[in-house]
Amino acid sequence: EIVMTQSPATLSVSPGDSATLSCRASQSVSSSLAWYQQKPNQAPRLLIYDASTRATDIPARFSGSGSGTDFTLTISSLQSEDFAVYYCQQYHNWPPLTFGGGTKVEMK
Amino acid sequence: VQLVESGGGVVQPGESLRLSCAASGFTFSKYGMHWVRQAPGKGLEWLAFIRYDGGIEYSADSVKGRFTVSRDNSKNTLYLQMNSLRVDDTAIYSCAKEHFYGSGSPYFFDSWGQGTLVTVSS
Repeated sequence: EIVMTQSPATLSVSPGDSATLSCRASQSVSSSLAWYQQKPNQAPRLLIYDASTRATDIPARFSGSGSGTDFTLTISSLQSEDFAVYYCQQYHNWPPLTFGGGTKVEMK
Repeated sequence: VQLVESGGGVVQPGESLRLSCAASGFTFSKYGMHWVRQAPGKGLEWLAFIRYDGGIEYSADSVKGRFTVSRDNSKNTLYLQMNSLRVDDTAIYSCAKEHFYGSGSPYFFDSWGQGTLVTVSS
């Protein structure tokens, strides 16, 4: 099973600043990585897949990069609606599909 | 796309429960479907995938042999039969739509339901 590790667990950011979230895989997942956003009491929303492809209707301030074992989600110019928990998920080697533990982006 | 789960509730350890997920807004019979759960205050755990025609299923080791995923394409409904429930199965259970049309393999999820809460407690 591929273990996904996200850091930091919590990120304090001021509105308008950028945020950089990390996701590391225990072995290579090539570019088979997705990112999701989850707000309290809401279902997760797909942001990025194939490590860097934005999903439908996702604003350009969200960008993904990386391949192999190290990945980054960057949110530029954070908006109030971006404060949420973000999860990465690998789909290179399954079953199982595996998620990281999440990074909470909170307002500074 | 709309996915609406039902069937959650409070059960005792060892009991069974069947969850349903009613799908609409897309051609259900052409997409694989997943079940994912989230324990209170915890992260996401993938549980199972079923191919668009029900011909292939994959599941996580944590539920293999206890949980069974199935679907009825004539009713646009996904199911999760959960047997031998344990306290650590307590979670919100959500169904999610596979992104790729006609895929026989699990990849990632482009739509999720709000989930149904399953509480296992004596």
